[in-house]
Amino acid sequence: EADIYQTPRYLVIGTGKKITLECSQTMGHDKMYWYQQDPGMELHLIHYSYGVNSTEKGDLSSESTVSRIRTEHFPLTLESARPSHTSQYLCASSEPTGGAGKKLFFGSGTQLSVL
Amino acid sequence: AQKITQTQPGMFVQEKEAVTLDCTYDTSDQSYGLFWYKQPSSGEMIFLIYQGSYDEQNATEGRYSLNFQKARKSANLVISASQLGDSAMYFCAMRENSGYSTLTFGKGTMLLVSP
Repeated sequence: EADIYQTPRYLVIGTGKKITLECSQTMGHDKMYWYQQDPGMELHLIHYSYGVNSTEKGDLSSESTVSRIRTEHFPLTLESARPSHTSQYLCASSEPTGGAGKKLFFGSGTQLSVL
Repeated sequence: AQKITQTQPGMFVQEKEAVTLDCTYDTSDQSYGLFWYKQPSSGEMIFLIYQGSYDEQNATEGRYSLNFQKARKSANLVISASQLGDSAMYFCAMRENSGYSTLTFGKGTMLLVSP
């Protein structure tokens, strides 16, 4: 099983602040993902990476940005947080092989509230 | 067009009974994978079961089984002998095997297990 860690678990912050949500995994997975989930709703892919220095935008447009300087680390940054950014952010990584069967391993999520 | 459809926003079941959570999908790919994840109130996503499009047998994992009907494009999750700890959101997801395909989730079904 992959170990994937997200910090902080909960974050309450004021409008206009810059924030970075941390995500790290210890299994050497090349592929990593960020999903956004509003309460009781489905997950929407906002960013993904297939390796170091590779990042792509997902299906849902997001004002956040990501970087992938190291394989194990995939942080998400909001330059100026707004109340509309209030949501849960889930980080995931996937196995390197298995075709369509590659499963995602998820972190515990960061619940972000912007006041 | 929505690729994953979960038509049951909520389901109720009594402890020790079986329950089926519905999922239909839409794809023109011949090779794809179907997944079910569980999300308890704590927020993390837990992988339950996987079915490949070429798998002839329905997948089973302990009390979970996937009723895969390829011609109907359905992949229903069956939970046998429900337990109180099964109360959670359940998400169906699909990965198509074309190029750099990512995992797409349905809207989820909230399952409540009563004593």
